[in-house]
Amino acid sequence: DTGVSQDPRHKITKRGQNVTFRCDPISEHNRLYWYRQTLGQGPEFLTYFQNEAQLEKSRLLSDRFSAERPKGSFSTLEIQRTEQGDSAMYLCASSLASAGQLITGAGNTIYFGEGSWLTVV
Amino acid sequence: KQEVTQIPAALSVPEGENLVLNCSFTDSAIYNLQWFRQDPGKGLTSLLLIQSSQREQTSGRLNASLDKSSGRSTLYIAASQPGDSATYLCAPQSNTNAGKSTFGDGTTLTVKP
Repeated sequence: DTGVSQDPRHKITKRGQNVTFRCDPISEHNRLYWYRQTLGQGPEFLTYFQNEAQLEKSRLLSDRFSAERPKGSFSTLEIQRTEQGDSAMYLCASSLASAGQLITGAGNTIYFGEGSWLTVV
Repeated sequence: KQEVTQIPAALSVPEGENLVLNCSFTDSAIYNLQWFRQDPGKGLTSLLLIQSSQREQTSGRLNASLDKSSGRSTLYIAASQPGDSATYLCAPQSNTNAGKSTFGDGTTLTVKP
């Protein structure tokens, strides 16, 4: 168990550029979450996947944001045409839901990665 | 919509003191509640998960309690140490929405040697 891995850890980009973050969840974890956190605030939910299906997207996720989880393993979060307001830490998390929890939507312990810092200049 | 409040926002105590961090939430329809620790510039580390059917959960010097009906949870830290200095976050999980968590803004704890 190597934990949740995120890459890159830090990214500085110019306004208007596209950036992509990658998340490798804990092996065999079937749920994967993306959160965003700014300084002094708690993480805010962006989206989550159950296996390869993206089941919910927050209103925070404008059409410039897209997330994928092909084959239900790693996930990518892409931000197009970055704006200064996108500067934040992007956190990925994963959990292992039982068969019953997958049906009922019940939750379990969630494990976070170290985050990817984005600075838009 | 779930809203989470953590009080106090910051706390400074001398080493060895016992302390309590408070978390309140508006929607009692939760499946469980998780407490996390976050060091500056780092990700979140899970401390305790307390199920909605439980009232308490303990891990070492940490004890979390949950009163779902009143929308409150507390994290008790015994015999605090300088290494406990961090931001502590609570996150109730929806009981139907795949463990989607809502976070408070945390309590930043400083333990002085």
